[in-house]
Amino acid sequence: QKEVEQDPGPLSVPEGAIVSLNCTYSNSAFQYFMWYRQYSRKGPELLMYTYSSGNKEDGRFTAQVDKSSKYISLFIRDSQPSDSATYLCAMRDTGRRALTFGSGTRLQVQP
Amino acid sequence: DAGVIQSPRHEVTEMGQEVTLRCKPISGHNSLFWYRQTMMRGLELLIYFNNNVPIDDSGMPEDRFSAKMPNASFSTLKIQPSEPRDSAVYFCASRRRPLEETQYFGPGTRLLVL
Repeated sequence: QKEVEQDPGPLSVPEGAIVSLNCTYSNSAFQYFMWYRQYSRKGPELLMYTYSSGNKEDGRFTAQVDKSSKYISLFIRDSQPSDSATYLCAMRDTGRRALTFGSGTRLQVQP
Repeated sequence: DAGVIQSPRHEVTEMGQEVTLRCKPISGHNSLFWYRQTMMRGLELLIYFNNNVPIDDSGMPEDRFSAKMPNASFSTLKIQPSEPRDSAVYFCASRRRPLEETQYFGPGTRLLVL
């Protein structure tokens, strides 16, 4: 079993929809949680970062962490065609500086 | 800033040949990471350096892979001999300081080993 599980999709939604992307993980030592966005044929770029449990909001994006359930989510409100990309969750524990990535969810927002 | 620079952007080679991938991190960044991305396995960390010193190479698949960082502005990932299963996109990323979270990824090198 992988340390981080992520539904690969593809997930197709109409423009303006609310999108929910999720990851589950098995390592209870993970404390730092990130979401990266990767456009086709590009490198990933950091979208959101949260530490431990709780919510964080940035514009149309909200990241949630539920450590008790080992579950993290990224919500996108009023989705736009420009949000079409692969979204990767990533996480690490306090000791190791390297990240463990999920396999990514491909999102397609239809105009 | 130009961002992380990787070369070549595309590489096609035959099995058994040596492949060298190059990376120039963002100026002033102290950490450098090499990742490999495939459809089957996703994004996997191969090795990372802090201040040019390899810190964690547990992701390097086998002895055919080696990485060096001779100075703060240059790193190489070498595969010798290459095999078809090494076909993937190889990303280099850099980070300003060890305590920061943001990694800045390069555009990647698409490697195809025939």
